Amino acid sequence: ELKVEQNPLFLSMQEGKNYTIYCNYSTTSDRLYWYRQDPGKSLESLFVLLSNGAVKQEGRLMASLDTKARLSTLHITAAVHDLSATYFCAVDMGSGTYKYIFGTGTRLKVLA
Amino acid sequence: GAGVSQTPSNKVTEKGKYVELRCDPISGHTALYWYRQSLGQGPEFLIYFQGTGAADDSGLPNDRFFAVRPEGSVSTLKIQRTERGDSAVYLCASSLYPGVLNGYTFGSGTRLTVV
Repeated sequence: ELKVEQNPLFLSMQEGKNYTIYCNYSTTSDRLYWYRQDPGKSLESLFVLLSNGAVKQEGRLMASLDTKARLSTLHITAAVHDLSATYFCAVDMGSGTYKYIFGTGTRLKVLA
Repeated sequence: GAGVSQTPSNKVTEKGKYVELRCDPISGHTALYWYRQSLGQGPEFLIYFQGTGAADDSGLPNDRFFAVRPEGSVSTLKIQRTERGDSAVYLCASSLYPGVLNGYTFGSGTRLTVV
């Protein structure tokens, strides 16, 4: 059974600081997604990573995928308050199942 | 429509009652998915439809849960004899076809509270 673990679960950081969120998964997959969720809101797609070594950047966020290590990272550069949200990684189980297995999420709070 | 629409946005029901949750996917999307998100957790897969048929219902927790998509567009998730443990946010997502590489579009969810 595919398991997806994120760490940290909670992250409180000062504005202007850098930090990395980690997403580990237990079986082979070459499709990984990052979503953002604001309180009471739905999931907003951030990044789609489809191959080993894939790197995507948008603003202060950068995501990467290492399929051999079964690891994805979401790096935050010079955090700002607006980045406060919960971030989820989701792994496509593949093999025609079309299910996403989500991590437990990382609740990020950026302090002004 | 422009996005995935879910109604109602909030539903409070008494234990033992029957509820229906509706999802209206993006127009033209053939694949539709239901997920359940408990407080403080990531979404968990329930069921997905390709067209009118349930292609994978392996995530439905028990036979009190059932979903339909009779015309290949709107879907209804039905929960019988609700229990307090069913309280969660039920998310619907759709995609142009199953396994589309750019991912699924999620609706805003229905928050179900069973009292």
